[in-house]
Amino acid sequence: GNSVTQMEGPVTLSEEAFLTINCTYTATGYPSLFWYVQYPGEGLQLLLKATKADDKGSNKGFEATYRKETTSFHLEKGSVQVSDSAVYFCALRDSGYSTLTFGKGTMLLVSP
Amino acid sequence: EAQVTQNPRYLITVTGKKLTVTCSQNMNHEYMSWYRQDPGLGLRQIYYSMNVEVTDKGDVPEGYKVSRKEKRNFPLILESPSPNQTSLYFCASSQPTLSGNEQFFGPGTRLTVL
Repeated sequence: GNSVTQMEGPVTLSEEAFLTINCTYTATGYPSLFWYVQYPGEGLQLLLKATKADDKGSNKGFEATYRKETTSFHLEKGSVQVSDSAVYFCALRDSGYSTLTFGKGTMLLVSP
Repeated sequence: EAQVTQNPRYLITVTGKKLTVTCSQNMNHEYMSWYRQDPGLGLRQIYYSMNVEVTDKGDVPEGYKVSRKEKRNFPLILESPSPNQTSLYFCASSQPTLSGNEQFFGPGTRLTVL
């Protein structure tokens, strides 16, 4: 079956530091890959997505590249802000009608 | 405003007392889903629905029921809640496409079963 593995948190960074959150996946076929973000007390919001190999999703300074050869979709940001503190979920979907499979989430804490 | 709404947002109940958590979306989405979020386990799917009158089990359906009589509503029913159903619940909806499509999430319902 499908699965997503994320690095465990919390990840603790100072403001303006570089961020990487690792995500690897196992799936049949050619899944679409997503990063969702959950701010404290809120539901999940789509942060970015990539639908085929070598695609790069980007939004709000965050980027992730769909690497089929390494089955990875690592999230990066060059300079984090305190407002980026949240839980980040990597997810995959292997067809338009199939369910999302989520990783366990990685909490990011950014201090001033 | 396009949104998924859930009610109630917070609920404390006792073992065995039937409850329903409502979910409604205003985007005319075909696909709706319920998840529960637990520390260290991430999000796990409970049930999903691909359209009206079409529902199917997710990864953790035991102890839950759903119905999809109208496109916009997808209530989650706990016939006899137990303490292990204490969790944070999210409803989500999307319009399936051949490529990846975004799921829109509700704000969550925090349920405590005593």
